[in-house]
Amino acid sequence: RKEVEQDPGPFNVPEGATVAFNCTYSNSASQSFFWYRQDCRKEPKLLMSVYSSGNEDGRFTAQLNRASQYISLLIRDSKLSDSATYLCVVNSPGGYNKLIFGAGTRLAVHP
Amino acid sequence: NAGVTQTPKFQVLKTGQSMTLQCAQDMNHEYMSWYRQDPGMGLRLIHYSVGAGITDQGEVPNGYNVSRSTTEDFPLRLLSAAPSQTSVYFCASTPRAAGLADTQYFGPGTRLTVL
Repeated sequence: RKEVEQDPGPFNVPEGATVAFNCTYSNSASQSFFWYRQDCRKEPKLLMSVYSSGNEDGRFTAQLNRASQYISLLIRDSKLSDSATYLCVVNSPGGYNKLIFGAGTRLAVHP
Repeated sequence: NAGVTQTPKFQVLKTGQSMTLQCAQDMNHEYMSWYRQDPGMGLRLIHYSVGAGITDQGEVPNGYNVSRSTTEDFPLRLLSAAPSQTSVYFCASTPRAAGLADTQYFGPGTRLTVL
């Protein structure tokens, strides 16, 4: 089983739609969770951290469910510019700042 | 402030050749790392460094060497290139070496093809 698993997609949605991605992780001791965004042939960039209480940044909402070991990302009112691959990232406990990346979920927003 | 820079952007090698991928950051970050990204597999950690003079292996270190003689630079050496090393390589840095993970700042990547 992979340490971090994501549905690869693609998710094809129209502009204005709400879309949700889930990600599961295997190590119950993980404490840091992130969503990164990666545009085609570009480097990953931090979208948002995921906190235990859930957090929101504009149209983006991230939630963490420790009991079930999954995190989610909700995007409301999708824009064309949201088209990208979204990477779920979880820290590897016990080491120096090691991060485990999911393979990513691809989102395509169409007019 | 250039952030994280990588050179070259593209490279084609023949099997058995060696080369060094360069990575530099000007943010005085303690932690630097190298990842490779292959289709459908996400980013995998090759080597990392928590400070000058200190390096350690990640998930997929075989065939690669690193050194960290300065805070700024973290080169990745391919000893004898193999087709399995065809990939996109990303260098990343983070302000702190220990504790909870901070934001990782990535370089633009090096696209390597080994024939």
